[in-house]
Amino acid sequence: DAGVIQSPRHEVTEMGQEVTLRCKPISGHDYLFWYRQTMMRGLELLIYFNNNVPIDDSGMPEDRFSAKMPNASFSTLKIQPSEPRDSAVYFCASGRDRDYGYTFGSGTRLTVV
Amino acid sequence: SQQGEEDPQALSIQEGENATMNCSYKTSINNLQWYRQNSGRGLVHLILIRSNEREKHSGRLRVTLDTSKKSSSLLITASRAADTASYFCATGSTSTGNQFYFGTGTSLTVIP
Repeated sequence: DAGVIQSPRHEVTEMGQEVTLRCKPISGHDYLFWYRQTMMRGLELLIYFNNNVPIDDSGMPEDRFSAKMPNASFSTLKIQPSEPRDSAVYFCASGRDRDYGYTFGSGTRLTVV
Repeated sequence: SQQGEEDPQALSIQEGENATMNCSYKTSINNLQWYRQNSGRGLVHLILIRSNEREKHSGRLRVTLDTSKKSSSLLITASRAADTASYFCATGSTSTGNQFYFGTGTSLTVIP
């Protein structure tokens, strides 16, 4: 099992550009989570899916953020337009249910200049 | 806030010593998890303890849970330099479905 795969590992973009982060969860995991980590705010849950359906997106900071999960093996987090304050490490995690731990990807470090 | 809060924020010990980190939370929980994060990497799940459990072991790790005090502790025995990382607790409850809320973490440095 290759674990949760995120791409790209690093992304540097200019303010105003669209950014798309990608995640491939572990096969068989019904839950997928997107987190954002910054020094100031720690780990924030942005959105999570169950069986490809978004369950709670209350953590999505603004309408500039959107997430999709078109199938069980792929999810995207899009920021359009990006702003410098979006700079952070974005993690994707997948899991079976709440009685088991989650598996995190290695993250995407986003820098918006 | 539903987040757990770890204490201390930073801890530095000599290799071979034991390291204890604490987590306090505010709401009722179904379970609590501990994760480790090495610098520049993702989080790694260490152990999950359910609300009806008081203690759990995994190798050199020992986790306790006191639901009356809304607190948990993670003990790493005979620490190694490779244990240097940040450690986070994450709490989950029925009211939050399958969401887990992470604390701000304890940064552990084990000096060889």
